Amino acid sequence: GENVEQHPSTLSVQEGDSAVIKCTYSDSASNYFPWYKQELGKGPQLIIDIRSNVGEKKDQRIAVTLNKTAKHFSLHITETQPEDSAVYFCAASMALYNFNKFYFGSGTKLNVKP
Amino acid sequence: GAVVSQHPSRVICKSGTSVKIECRSLDFQATTMFWYRQFPKQSLMLMATSNEGSKATYEQGVEKDKFLINHASLTLSTLTVTSAHPEDSSFYICSASSGLGVNEQFFGPGTRLTVL
Repeated sequence: GENVEQHPSTLSVQEGDSAVIKCTYSDSASNYFPWYKQELGKGPQLIIDIRSNVGEKKDQRIAVTLNKTAKHFSLHITETQPEDSAVYFCAASMALYNFNKFYFGSGTKLNVKP
Repeated sequence: GAVVSQHPSRVICKSGTSVKIECRSLDFQATTMFWYRQFPKQSLMLMATSNEGSKATYEQGVEKDKFLINHASLTLSTLTVTSAHPEDSSFYICSASSGLGVNEQFFGPGTRLTVL
């Protein structure tokens, strides 16, 4: 099955700096890679996603890059703000029948210091 | 759009009792719903996948007789933890997918279960 590894487990940055979180996956059949933000005591919220036919996607301060050859994808947050502090999860997914099973990374706790 | 709700948000029960958690897709029809379990400071662990009108598919190691899943309609799935024990205490999260050719899963806010 798919194995997703995520690094680092914790990341502390100064407000205004950039943050980068990296994930690798093992199954070349995976074709969808979402990133979720989870605040304490809440469910994960989708912040950005990328499909295997795209190398990069950007949404304001958030961007995701995908290298299919190397099987890794990364989340980039620029101009970080204290409200970006949360746990971030990457996931890899492949179409399976009519639904898509997600394989999650272990999570990165991001702390943005004011 | 794409809002998923869960009820209750928190539940405390005595050991040996059963607890039902509801997951609803509020503004779309969810052909598939997923149930996850999350321990403190850990990732989400998929417990089972359910498609409307059919039996749930459980992940390896998840007891289907203990965690009963019913996906009776396109907007509602329920997870019943039967004969709960303290080790079942966890954060349970559902997600829903419309299955309309896209891969997104939309997550509910989670249910904190504490078994005394």
